[in-house]
Amino acid sequence: EDQVTQSPEALRLQEGESSSLNCSYTVSGLRGLFWYRQDPGKGPEFLFTLYSAGEEKEKERLKATLTKKESFLHITAPKPEDSATYLCAATDTGRRALTFGSGTRLQVQP
Amino acid sequence: EAQVTQNPRYLITVTGKKLTVTCSQNMNHEYMSWYRQDPGLGLRQIYYSMNVEVTDKGDVPEGYKVSRKEKRNFPLILESPSPNQTSLYFCASTPAGRSSYNEQFFGPGTRLTVL
Repeated sequence: EDQVTQSPEALRLQEGESSSLNCSYTVSGLRGLFWYRQDPGKGPEFLFTLYSAGEEKEKERLKATLTKKESFLHITAPKPEDSATYLCAATDTGRRALTFGSGTRLQVQP
Repeated sequence: EAQVTQNPRYLITVTGKKLTVTCSQNMNHEYMSWYRQDPGLGLRQIYYSMNVEVTDKGDVPEGYKVSRKEKRNFPLILESPSPNQTSLYFCASTPAGRSSYNEQFFGPGTRLTVL
């Protein structure tokens, strides 16, 4: 059974204080690893897809990386508008469903 | 504007009263799916559809039905809702090709309470 675990559950940062969110996965035959952002009261918004170990993708202050067992979402010099819940999800070669982690709730204080 | 819409956004109902949550997308996407989101459990897939008249179970299909008669619509049906179906529901769509490997576009959510 596919499993996706995110840590920490919650993270509070000061503006400008860089950090990383972790997503560890147990998936037989990873097909894709996804990062989404979710603001309160809204649906998840797509950020990145990673397909193979060693792959990296960047978008503004966010950078996602992937190893064979986990993915990291690095946040460089965050701003208050980066406050949100960040969701990680994975899919394998045998299924068409996404398996989501429980998310990391990020709060960036000015 | 490209979007996924859901109706209603909020619903309070009673046990056993059949209800339908509608989902519509205007992006001509082949793949659509339904998720429920519960605290501590994350998003879990209920049902998905690869195209018109093609549907399949996700991880938590019990108590739900779906249909895909048109490409743009994918309603979620609760024939006899129970309190354990109280949750936040999301519909999502994505273009074909790599189906669930692609970016999924999510609707705004429907908060359902079953008393």
